[in-house]
Amino acid sequence: DVKVTQSSRYLVKRTGEKVFLECVQDMDHENMFWYRQDPGLGLRLIYFSYDVKMKEKGDIPEGYSVSREKKERFSLILESASTNQTSMYLCASSSSGAPTYEQYFGPGTRLTVT
Amino acid sequence: GIQVEQSPPDLILQEGANSTLRCNFSDSVNNLQWFHQNPWGQLINLFYIPSGTKQNGRLSATTVATERYSLLYISSSQTTDSGVYFCAVRIQGGSEKLVFGKGTKLTVNP
Repeated sequence: DVKVTQSSRYLVKRTGEKVFLECVQDMDHENMFWYRQDPGLGLRLIYFSYDVKMKEKGDIPEGYSVSREKKERFSLILESASTNQTSMYLCASSSSGAPTYEQYFGPGTRLTVT
Repeated sequence: GIQVEQSPPDLILQEGANSTLRCNFSDSVNNLQWFHQNPWGQLINLFYIPSGTKQNGRLSATTVATERYSLLYISSSQTTDSGVYFCAVRIQGGSEKLVFGKGTKLTVNP
């Protein structure tokens, strides 16, 4: 079974702190993703990576950066956390091609910035 | 960009009832997935179904790619089926990302 894990289920940080969210997958997937989910706005893509050290901006990259030094690990970084980054963060991974493009999600991290 | 619309937005059922959830999309896709988001927020994969019909226990799904819609059927619903059901698509020839619908919130009462 595909397994995607995230470093924390719940996280509380203060405004201005640097925050790291970690994601690890065990299926040797090329692609990894970070989404955030907010009531009324649904799930939106922040960044994704299609290979080690490669990244592309998603729909809402402002205020975030990412790092992918190893194939299995994808980190989301909030350089200076703000209250409007309070959200549910979901990591996902997928293979880059045939036979399936299916994405698998981690359990999510509920981040509260006070 | 591609539009993904789910209906109904909310659905309340009695245990044992059947239901159909619909997902319409506005462009050609090569990936369509149905997810169930549990009360703890995790997205559980239900079906990977860019076309055709699949069944898994009490759940089944059908995607008619040429007509740009997909249906998720839940039979003999149970209280544990409660939660939000999302449809998500990957645009053919587009980036790897999934575009999500707004979801259908299902409540199954005992």
